[in-house]
Amino acid sequence: NAGVTQTPKFQVLKTGQSMTLQCAQDMNHNSMYWYRQDPGMGLRLIYYSASEGTTDKGEVPNGYNVSRLNKREFSLRLESAAPSQTSVYFCASSEGQEPNEKLFFGSGTQLSVL
Amino acid sequence: AQRVTQPEKLLSVFKGAPVELKCNYSYSGSPELFWYVQYSRQRLQLLLRHISRESIKGFTADLNKGETSFHLKKPFAQEEDSAMYYCALRSTGFQKLVFGTGTRLLVSP
Repeated sequence: NAGVTQTPKFQVLKTGQSMTLQCAQDMNHNSMYWYRQDPGMGLRLIYYSASEGTTDKGEVPNGYNVSRLNKREFSLRLESAAPSQTSVYFCASSEGQEPNEKLFFGSGTQLSVL
Repeated sequence: AQRVTQPEKLLSVFKGAPVELKCNYSYSGSPELFWYVQYSRQRLQLLLRHISRESIKGFTADLNKGETSFHLKKPFAQEEDSAMYYCALRSTGFQKLVFGTGTRLLVSP
């Protein structure tokens, strides 16, 4: 049972470099999310996709772009990385049908921007 | 706007002591509330949700709409309860889940 798979697990970038974080789920979920986790700030929503073909901004979307490639995959792109984007990034998914449903999380990507 | 407040960054107790992790929220409608937990080297996972009114691993949480709170309680803490706990809110009709800043629970022997 893979669930939600994120790659890579670790990444170090230099300021100005670009990269894409990959996320895939095998649970046939409709909704997918990208969060960042920072000490003292908890998890903050970057972008989410309620269903295939749609994406919406969360609390902290600046500096990021997303693509819902298909129902399984939801990628997060940093076009020009900045030190403020050093964080742990989590992808999550949910069935997307009920407000009280739970989210399934990936294992996270630890990103450092130097 | 939706907001979740967890006032304690760290809660340290001894094994067998009662535990209460505080969570307050602000939302004018009918919220859906959750507690998520992240154990060391594990993924973030759902602990419980208010609609289920269940007890998971000895933890319970009651939604108090008057006080806009959803505190997490356990009568006797165990060492394996040591983890990061996040309270989260989803407003009816919206997909996104808003998290608090988290409370680290440390249970000492």
